[in-house]
Amino acid sequence: QQQVKQSPQSLIVQKGGISIINCAYENTAFDYFPWYQQFPGKGPALLIAIRPDVSEKKEGRFTISFNKSAKQFSLHIMDSQPGDSATYFCAATYHGSSNTGKLIFGQGTTLQVKP
Amino acid sequence: GAVVSQHPSRVICKSGTSVKIECRSLDFQATTMFWYRQFPKQSLMLMATSNEGSKATYEQGVEKDKFLINHASLTLSTLTVTSAHPEDSSFYICSAYGTVSGNTIYFGEGSWLTVV
Repeated sequence: QQQVKQSPQSLIVQKGGISIINCAYENTAFDYFPWYQQFPGKGPALLIAIRPDVSEKKEGRFTISFNKSAKQFSLHIMDSQPGDSATYFCAATYHGSSNTGKLIFGQGTTLQVKP
Repeated sequence: GAVVSQHPSRVICKSGTSVKIECRSLDFQATTMFWYRQFPKQSLMLMATSNEGSKATYEQGVEKDKFLINHASLTLSTLTVTSAHPEDSSFYICSAYGTVSGNTIYFGEGSWLTVV
């Protein structure tokens, strides 16, 4: 019930295309869903995050779509660029007293954007 | 924005020795810090949760006597890998959470540990 399932494992997109990564969760207590971008040898960097009271959040080329009833959320990268090539992780957490900030990560998606 | 710093970024140690990794929140007070371990091409696995002034809470399967965590202040947590073995070689990453950071979780840059 604590798992977050992420797909696909890897993704190849042409420059200018749309990259879509999907995640699903089971625990309905989760109330914060961030996406992280990680380059090789670096720590994850927060990209964008959403809370379950909204269905979509957009920041620049990055959009999170959230479907509470289906317990799914996805990351869309519009106009994908070679510099977006990285590993992307979805995550989830909830603000219970002993769990605040405790992230459960998806398996990761390696994105390659071809020029 | 908030910054979390880890030190050292890379460390090589001999088998049987201990190595300490520091995690600092530079511009906010972190009520809670988390330690993760990441193997190549894999996801981040939570090792333990560290609360300032109290004992760390370890995830199932993580040896608390091997991975010593200390959270002595609201800006510093340390992970000490004791009696290191080659299989402990990994990328260790900390994250910090604090209300001042807007309830956002920030990650450090990670520390590469190689045990030879």
